[in-house]
Amino acid sequence: KAGVTQTPRYLIKTRGQQVTLSCSPISGHRSVSWYQQTPGQGLQFLFEYFSETQRNKGNFPGRFSGRQFSNSRSEMNVSTLELGDSALYLCASRLNTGELFFGEGSRLTVL
Amino acid sequence: AQSVTQLDSQVPVFEEAPVELRCNYSSSVSVYLFWYVQYPNQGLQLLLKYLSGSTLVKGINGFEAEFNKSQTSFHLRKPSVHISDTAEYFCAVNPDPYSSASKIIFGSGTRLSIRP
Repeated sequence: KAGVTQTPRYLIKTRGQQVTLSCSPISGHRSVSWYQQTPGQGLQFLFEYFSETQRNKGNFPGRFSGRQFSNSRSEMNVSTLELGDSALYLCASRLNTGELFFGEGSRLTVL
Repeated sequence: AQSVTQLDSQVPVFEEAPVELRCNYSSSVSVYLFWYVQYPNQGLQLLLKYLSGSTLVKGINGFEAEFNKSQTSFHLRKPSVHISDTAEYFCAVNPDPYSSASKIIFGSGTRLSIRP
């Protein structure tokens, strides 16, 4: 089985722009979770989608949004980028036990 | 609210020495427990998991962990570390195994550095 695929792997944006990140889960997995990882804040949960519906949500401002398509692929969007949004964004597909399968991440740098 | 505490943010160890990375969680009810490893510039990958059964769980790369319900701990151990074990290690808990929608709680991570 192919693993979780995230694109793009690296990207650079400037303040005020918006960005869209993509995640394809493991085939057959219907749950996709997103995390933000920074040196200062560690691993923080953004949201989880299951069957195209947001099932769980972390404590992030409305600038962070996501969606899931019928084929379980997911996208997350960050609008009006701030310097503090620079981070590694990780996507994971999930089993019912809570076991997570992570992608390699998308490293976003905001200048 | 559920929480996971990794008591050490950094652990330096000499190569071939044993290591223990500590993890405590707040719930006293049934939980599922996980350890993940993150190598530089990569995502997290599962080291091992406790769902039920034997309290001593063996994982990949020679790691093992012991579930202690009375102390609500799930410490990770390796008898002899290698340079390639240099990574960040995360403990995680599923606080409600009966719900497929429960939110997974992660600890803040422990950075393991191996000295030659």
